[in-house]
Amino acid sequence: SYVLTQPPSVSVAPGQTARITCGGNNIGSKSVHWYQQKPGQAPVLVVYDDSDRPSGIPERFSGSNSGNTATLTISRVEAGDEADYYCQVWDSSSDHFVVFGGGTKLTVL
Amino acid sequence: QVQLQESGPGLVKPSQTLSLTCTVSGGSISSGSYYWSWIRQPAGKGLEWIGRIYTSGSTNYNPSLKSRVTISVDTSKNQFSLKLSSVTAADTAVYYCARVVGATVYMDVWGKGTTVTVSS
Repeated sequence: SYVLTQPPSVSVAPGQTARITCGGNNIGSKSVHWYQQKPGQAPVLVVYDDSDRPSGIPERFSGSNSGNTATLTISRVEAGDEADYYCQVWDSSSDHFVVFGGGTKLTVL
Repeated sequence: QVQLQESGPGLVKPSQTLSLTCTVSGGSISSGSYYWSWIRQPAGKGLEWIGRIYTSGSTNYNPSLKSRVTISVDTSKNQFSLKLSSVTAADTAVYYCARVVGATVYMDVWGKGTTVTVSS
């Protein structure tokens, strides 16, 4: 089955740029979605279809996807961005199912 | 604005069947080309997709759970449900329901989640 690999943790100072990667075999050929999850809360979609933002999500959140790596970029990081972030794709190979990355804990220093 | 709410027992005995329902409010479960999904998250761990259903009854399941999972839909009640059989302690988790969008398959609306503990 398809595997998505994320770094367990990323740390960044306020005001800086955070980049969270999601690796997968030829992931550039798939559509990647990103979720933010704060403690005790349900996940929230922050980027879909590689780089689109749902309404209400700040422009500071952006995404890219090429080759074997997709990236969620958070510009001008704020304390409120501290959360777990998950990437997700749809594996439409033999078994059609949703695959999540293992998640990345973003710490704002 | 569509909202989802999970409901069901918070405690299930080992070997029994876990049953949860997700009630959709603020819109019809049959409107639009949406699937409806279940996702779970053990404490301190990542998200695990369980499966999805379309209002026609068409389903897709996580291969690792497929033998134990049934997802169904009741359009008259604007609900969809999860049954997970032969549960063990490993099935203890927060269970979320979510709306699934599009051919690229992402979840744009989530319920708040409900905690299910498997214990005798």
